[in-house]
Amino acid sequence: KAGVTQTPRYLIKTRGQQVTLSCSPISGHRSVSWYQQTPGQGLQFLFEYFSETQRNKGNFPGRFSGRQFSNSRSEMNVSTLELGDSALYLCASSLDRISSYEQYFGPGTRLTVT
Amino acid sequence: DQQVKQNSPSLSVQEGRISILNCDYTNSMFDYFLWYKKYPAEGPTFLISISSIKDKNEDGRFTVFLNKSAKHLSLHIVPSQPGDSAVYFCAASAFLQGAQKLVFGQGTRLTINP
Repeated sequence: KAGVTQTPRYLIKTRGQQVTLSCSPISGHRSVSWYQQTPGQGLQFLFEYFSETQRNKGNFPGRFSGRQFSNSRSEMNVSTLELGDSALYLCASSLDRISSYEQYFGPGTRLTVT
Repeated sequence: DQQVKQNSPSLSVQEGRISILNCDYTNSMFDYFLWYKKYPAEGPTFLISISSIKDKNEDGRFTVFLNKSAKHLSLHIVPSQPGDSAVYFCAASAFLQGAQKLVFGQGTRLTINP
């Protein structure tokens, strides 16, 4: 069974631009969560999607948004990029409730904002 | 407000000895705890978990201990092997503010010295 895939793996953008990251979950998984990882902050939860609906949201500004498609693939968008948005963005999929099932993470997208 | 804390950013242990990684949490509503392991350029992978109704869970070389009164959990790895060198994240889950949430700590970088 293929794992969680994320594209692109690396991205360099300039301040003010916008970016879209993509995540394909494990086949059969309906929940997709997004996290931001920065040194010293660990994994900060962005949002979770289930059946095309945002089910859960972290404490990030509205510049961060996402969506999920009918095939469970998910995209995350960041508008008006800031230097502080430079981070590793991780996507994780799970069958359903994130507490009862282990989350399976993708390799991440390394975003650098200059 | 960091609800899950890993106060040691790094830990160095001799091969063959025991590695003990610690994690503290503040919210007594957390009912499920997990440990993830992360290698560079890869996403975190699930390692071991424990429900709040237990105080110990063992899986091979890995044992997680939960002390609810102290709001503390620890991961023991024995014997430690060079392949255990990675960043370890603890995570806690609870139904909060109308949604199931998974909160991660900042991570501890474990280095096993030959």
